[in-house]
Amino acid sequence: EDKVVQSPLSLVVHEGDTVTLNCSYEVTNFRSLLWYKQEKKAPTFLFMLTSSGIEKKSGRLSSILDKKELFSILNITATQTGDSAIYLCAVPGSGNTGKLIFGQGTTLQVKP
Amino acid sequence: SAVISQKPSRDICQRGTSLTIQCQVDSQVTMMFWYRQQPGQSLTLIATANQGSEATYESGFVIDKFPISRPNLTFSTLTVSNMSPEDSSIYLCSVELTGRGPQHFGDGTRLSIL
Repeated sequence: EDKVVQSPLSLVVHEGDTVTLNCSYEVTNFRSLLWYKQEKKAPTFLFMLTSSGIEKKSGRLSSILDKKELFSILNITATQTGDSAIYLCAVPGSGNTGKLIFGQGTTLQVKP
Repeated sequence: SAVISQKPSRDICQRGTSLTIQCQVDSQVTMMFWYRQQPGQSLTLIATANQGSEATYESGFVIDKFPISRPNLTFSTLTVSNMSPEDSSIYLCSVELTGRGPQHFGDGTRLSIL
């Protein structure tokens, strides 16, 4: 069964801290791994990773994939209160239907 | 990227009634999906909205409860029928702009059933 597990489930940090969010996955026919940020209702797309060891970066956010160990990390440096959100990790399911399998999410709270 | 408009943004409904949620995209897309996010939970796919044919439902979701229309490549609706408090959730449409590309989500509809 396809599965995505995120850790930690919640995290409280102070502004300026660096955080690392984890995502492990099990899927029969891996194609990609996606990270989203959900602040209110709509998840907004952050990164799509397909190749191991190649870091994707956008400002203070970066992510990397390890296809051998079946996990990905999302790093946020110099956190700001605006980074407070739920961070979701997802992989396309094995059935090639376009279905995304989501992890439980990591709730990040950044305190001033 | 595309602009994905979803409405209503939120609604409070009475038990036993039905509500139709609309999703409009500003460009033609091949794949459109409907997800549900129950309180404190992650996203679960309800169905894939197929243009010109019946939607493809995931296990645990049926057409009588969640009828879906997709008359063209830019528009879809999801109806939540005969609502009960357990249907209180955020409902989200998503689109895939390019084959095997990331899915992008609409703003979501927060639905509360009294």
